[in-house]
Amino acid sequence: GAVVSQHPSWVICKSGTSVKIECRSLDFQATTMFWYRQFPKQSLMLMATSNEGSKATYEQGVEKDKFLINHASLTLSTLTVTSAHPEDSSFYICSAARSGTQEQYFGPGTRLTVT
Amino acid sequence: GQQLNQSPQSMFIQEGEDVSMNCTSSSIFNTWLWYKQDPGEGPVLLIALYKAGELTSNGRLTAQFGITRKDSFLNISASIPSDVGIYFCAGRIQGAQKLVFGQGTRLTINP
Repeated sequence: GAVVSQHPSWVICKSGTSVKIECRSLDFQATTMFWYRQFPKQSLMLMATSNEGSKATYEQGVEKDKFLINHASLTLSTLTVTSAHPEDSSFYICSAARSGTQEQYFGPGTRLTVT
Repeated sequence: GQQLNQSPQSMFIQEGEDVSMNCTSSSIFNTWLWYKQDPGEGPVLLIALYKAGELTSNGRLTAQFGITRKDSFLNISASIPSDVGIYFCAGRIQGAQKLVFGQGTRLTINP
């Protein structure tokens, strides 16, 4: 149990376009989901915390209008990178916290390349 | 803000050797988690610790929640090639939802 999926696994888009990434908890309900960004050979950087049915809480320095997060159900959260630019190219990873526990389970990540 | 200092940053060992890595913090955490990340993949949860002094094993892996609640260590016994990867510690303070991550320990094993 505790499987988290992400879609797509990789995406290439042109500068100025928007990209949506989905994060799903497949076999459990997740009241809270998290979105991270990871640069090569670095640790995970938390971008935002998403609670089902409420607005996401963004970390300092993360533009909420650029990285739109929606958590409409207990099994799905989406991250939309709006007007993407090459500097947004990165590995984006979501995690889901199983309701009632403190354990976070991570998705496999989405590699975004903006050309 | 809270920070976790994870060491060592990298390890180069021979297959069959034991491995030890640790994380320390200036803040008190009430949860410690250890993850392993393979290239191009998301981190996989290895061990979760919830009580000070707790010692938990998962196969060849053993992790402990420090008595002071400011540190944790992970040991891997009799390493095998599939242990290669990056290991991250993560901690959560009382009342917080988010995790604080260490910088990672990159493990390389020579056959």
